[in-house]
Amino acid sequence: SAVISQKPSRDICQRGTSLTIQCQVDSQVTMMFWYRQQPGQSLTLIATANQGSEATYESGFVIDKFPISRPNLTFSTLTVSNMSPEDSSIYLCSISGREDTQYFGPGTRLTVL
Amino acid sequence: GESVGLHLPTLSVQEGDNSIINCAYSNSASDYFIWYKQESGKGPQFIIDIRSNMDKRQGQRVTVLLNKTVKHLSLQIAATQPGDSAVYFCAENGGTSYGKLTFGQGTILTVHP
Repeated sequence: SAVISQKPSRDICQRGTSLTIQCQVDSQVTMMFWYRQQPGQSLTLIATANQGSEATYESGFVIDKFPISRPNLTFSTLTVSNMSPEDSSIYLCSISGREDTQYFGPGTRLTVL
Repeated sequence: GESVGLHLPTLSVQEGDNSIINCAYSNSASDYFIWYKQESGKGPQFIIDIRSNMDKRQGQRVTVLLNKTVKHLSLQIAATQPGDSAVYFCAENGGTSYGKLTFGQGTILTVHP
């Protein structure tokens, strides 16, 4: 199965700043996704990262706050812009596998002070 | 690791017992379901999946049962081990075919030696 890595693994940031999270896969994949997991909560889909076109955002998430890039079939970035303490979460990328299965990266643990 | 115990249901069992984790889903259009295991500080790990044309599927020490009539999913773990301690999430595809998943709230499983 594909190996998924994320950078950074964790970070502590000041409010008002932005952080870009990278997701790298060791093989080409059709679909990549970004999720948020707030403390003590389940996973919520932020957007689907589309290669060569704009990401598809879920209700409650907007491009200005969470810009996403997908320059090729192995890489994607998620930026958390103008951060506030409410953005403190784990951010996870996932890839589509066989059928509708998704496989997840290790996550990026973000704390905003 | 982060705190994940504040809002999630919990299940405590003794080592060697069988565990049953339940999940209710709401979208009657869902035709694909997955169980994930998330250990502290890690991303969700695929355990087992099931399609709606089945009501039972078995893996190694795990069994998933699907009751479409009452929209209920369960994960049974046989001979539970301390290494099974984690948060378990169910996920459904909402009847979509492009990989979008909706996650349940999760259950914390604690296995006592």
